[in-house]
Amino acid sequence: DGGITQSPKYLFRKEGQNVTLSCEQNLNHDAMYWYRQDPGQGLRLIYYSQIVNDFQKGDIAEGYSVSREKKESFPLTVTSAQKNPTAFYLCASSIGVYNSPLHFGNGTRLTVT
Amino acid sequence: RKEVEQDPGPFNVPEGATVAFNCTYSNSASQSFFWYRQDCRKEPKLLMSVYSSGNEDGRFTAQLNRASQYISLLIRDSKLSDSATYLCVVNRYGNKLVFGAGTILRVKS
Repeated sequence: DGGITQSPKYLFRKEGQNVTLSCEQNLNHDAMYWYRQDPGQGLRLIYYSQIVNDFQKGDIAEGYSVSREKKESFPLTVTSAQKNPTAFYLCASSIGVYNSPLHFGNGTRLTVT
Repeated sequence: RKEVEQDPGPFNVPEGATVAFNCTYSNSASQSFFWYRQDCRKEPKLLMSVYSSGNEDGRFTAQLNRASQYISLLIRDSKLSDSATYLCVVNRYGNKLVFGAGTILRVKS
């Protein structure tokens, strides 16, 4: 079955450490996205990538970095510069870049103490 | 003004009731509209796209009002399993999608 796999489901880190969240898709989708969700708030776009080796900042890119070396993979690194990293992180993909719905992975809950 | 606004609810309805949610958006150039459903602590899942002429999928009906810049979702014959948060999603440009904070629906027996 095609889908998006995020790992791990839960992640705990100490403040000051960088952490990388994995996202892999086998849907052959061109576009991939990272969103962050905080309680009571809508999803906010961190980064997105429309093609391999290209990515764009979203609304809240500060303190995050990404890479897109392969079509299937779009890892997100939460750096120590991110002031409030504790959140639910969602990776998504879409078949194209216009009028395409997003398909989400099952998310990673990151807790930084 | 937020780009996408939804009444957070919760909407508490009995089984079998009809319930409707509205969502307003600020960008008049938006072209893509979706409703997603999100269960507690899970990822959002696409419920339906919203087309200009309105569209129906079983008990769910979505409508778009471009003049007033809102979309709506109507759920008929509510089931307990419809309890979830419903997210309104609108594109800013291209496929850069903006999510509302969601409307909570609780269906009670």
